[in-house]
Amino acid sequence: AQTVTQSQPEMSVQEAETVTLSCTYDTSESNYYLFWYKQPPSRQMILVIRQEAYKQQNATENRFSVNFQKAAKSFSLKISDSQLGDTAMYFCAFMKHGNKLVFGAGTILRVKS
Amino acid sequence: DAGVIQSPRHEVTEMGQEVTLRCKPISGHNSLFWYRQTMMRGLELLIYFNNNVPIDDSGMPEDRFSAKMPNASFSTLKIQPSEPRDSAVYFCASSPDRKRGEAFFGQGTRLTVV
Repeated sequence: AQTVTQSQPEMSVQEAETVTLSCTYDTSESNYYLFWYKQPPSRQMILVIRQEAYKQQNATENRFSVNFQKAAKSFSLKISDSQLGDTAMYFCAFMKHGNKLVFGAGTILRVKS
Repeated sequence: DAGVIQSPRHEVTEMGQEVTLRCKPISGHNSLFWYRQTMMRGLELLIYFNNNVPIDDSGMPEDRFSAKMPNASFSTLKIQPSEPRDSAVYFCASSPDRKRGEAFFGQGTRLTVV
């Protein structure tokens, strides 16, 4: 079974600074997808960024980028120029091709002014 | 598109009562997921459907829980009888293509069983 581990229950960052959230996963598959979802206090789950395992290039979406290390089974999220609106719970998630989406326990990120 | 629509947004019920949660996926999406979120257990996948057929229901806690998807635009999650430990936020999500992976979530239903 696939597992996703987020070892940082909580993180804080000053506005405009950069923060990195960690995620590791365990799988024997070679083809899969990895995601970061954001859940603000409104509780809406919002897709932040998506990575396909067969692509070596790290995905980027504006201020959000990932460091995907397939051999190490690591998938960290970097948020640059942090904004107050980035305050949320962040979930790392794994999906094998055609299968269910498995989430980590989440990391609470607080952006301070 | 209106996104994934769940109803009700909030539900408060007494222990022993039947509860039905509803979900309308995004049109054209062929996979649908039901998740439960609690502080203790995080986000748990309860069941998922592909083309209206249940594919994996191993996350359904017990026989009190059942889910149906009678057509491509509607799904229900039913709890009968409900218990206080069922209190949680229940999310429905849909995905356009199993090959792409990403899921789009509804706003969730906060269920409180007293």
